[in-house]
Amino acid sequence: NAGVMQNPRHLVRRRGQEARLRCSPMKGHSHVYWYRQLPEEGLKFMVYLQKENIIDESGMPKERFSAEFPKEGPSILRIQQVVRGDSAAYFCASSPSLLRGVEFDTEAFFGQGTRLTVV
Amino acid sequence: SQKIEQNSEALNIQEGKTATLTCNYTNYSPAYLQWYRQDPGRGPVFLLLIRENEKEKRKERLKVTFDTTLKQSLFHITASQPADSATYLCALVTDSSYKLIFGSGTRLLVRP
Repeated sequence: NAGVMQNPRHLVRRRGQEARLRCSPMKGHSHVYWYRQLPEEGLKFMVYLQKENIIDESGMPKERFSAEFPKEGPSILRIQQVVRGDSAAYFCASSPSLLRGVEFDTEAFFGQGTRLTVV
Repeated sequence: SQKIEQNSEALNIQEGKTATLTCNYTNYSPAYLQWYRQDPGRGPVFLLLIRENEKEKRKERLKVTFDTTLKQSLFHITASQPADSATYLCALVTDSSYKLIFGSGTRLLVRP
């Protein structure tokens, strides 16, 4: 069972371009989370999706950022008209169920991240 | 305001000693805490989970404690090894949220 797969690992975009980050969760996982990490900082929550639905997008900027998790295919984090401040590592995580379950709790499984550099 | 604080200064210890990392939280009521390890350029890897009604959890050389009165979790690595050098992140989940909320992490360096 392959782990969480993110691609590309590194992405360079010029200011004003679009960045598309992909995340394939572990097999059987229907819960996906996106986080952003700046150098020497912790992970900042962006958005939580559960198959085709956005459950919590409280950490995602209202403008230029969007996320989806279609019925078929990977989850996509899209950043339009990128600016230098968007440069960061973006991590995707998945879980087989709610992190806080009725019967049991589970951990999140993280991908290796996409490092976005805006020049 | 809500905060999760970990010691931002790196912890530098001698091989064989016990490393103790601290995670303090403010204005949260965690259902549980998780600890992750992150190596440079890699994603976090889960280590341990401890629930609000648990005082202590162990796994091999790792031990986690959870004190809801002090609003603090301690993470211990006994008989530390240079391979334990990494950044360690604490994260919490509350009953009212569905996501992990992370501290900023503490970097551990174990000298041979």
